[in-house]
Amino acid sequence: DAGITQSPRYKITETGRQVTLMCHQTWSHSYMFWYRQDLGHGLRLIYYSAAADITDKGEVPDGYVVSRSKTENFPLTLESATRSQTSVYFCASSSSYEQYFGPGTRLTVT
Amino acid sequence: TQLLEQSPQFLSIQEGENLTVYCNSSSVFSSLQWYRQEPGEGPVLLVTVVTGGEVKKLKRLTFQFGDARKDSSLHITAAQTGDTGLYLCAGGHSNYQLIWGAGTKLIIKP
Repeated sequence: DAGITQSPRYKITETGRQVTLMCHQTWSHSYMFWYRQDLGHGLRLIYYSAAADITDKGEVPDGYVVSRSKTENFPLTLESATRSQTSVYFCASSSSYEQYFGPGTRLTVT
Repeated sequence: TQLLEQSPQFLSIQEGENLTVYCNSSSVFSSLQWYRQEPGEGPVLLVTVVTGGEVKKLKRLTFQFGDARKDSSLHITAAQTGDTGLYLCAGGHSNYQLIWGAGTKLIIKP
């Protein structure tokens, strides 16, 4: 089915471990975004990508790495997870200002 | 720094009542979107307004973009329990990024 998917939906990991969150979209949208959503902070942009092989930092990029080798995929990697990275992560895609979101990944770092 | 302030942050009303949610900024936006987010899901786009003074209706929901394109409102007529959710406004920024409001948590009691 067309749309935007994220995996895993839930993840528990330990401090210091590397974890990768996957995002896949079938619309061929040029732009893709990673957000984290925390109580009291709303949606905060981590990284975004304007096209394959073009990525840029958002508001809160520290501790995260992204890549975009294919238009449809935009994985987010936490190189060494910290408890402060416990959050709900949303991926979104767009071809304009209208963004379409995935269902989210709830990540807990213990 | 562009900011979008939403008010109220929280609203709990009885089914059948009317309500208005506000989204205000000191900055001009090229477009403004409203999203609704339900628990455990990603935000879903409701509407985009682009022209100052524009009014759009989506069933019982009425969206208005301010004449100066700095503010917007969402009015719900005869609220229903299905309207419960987190309502987010977002303004268009460069590179198709969005500036997000912190959200209005709406609870409609039966």
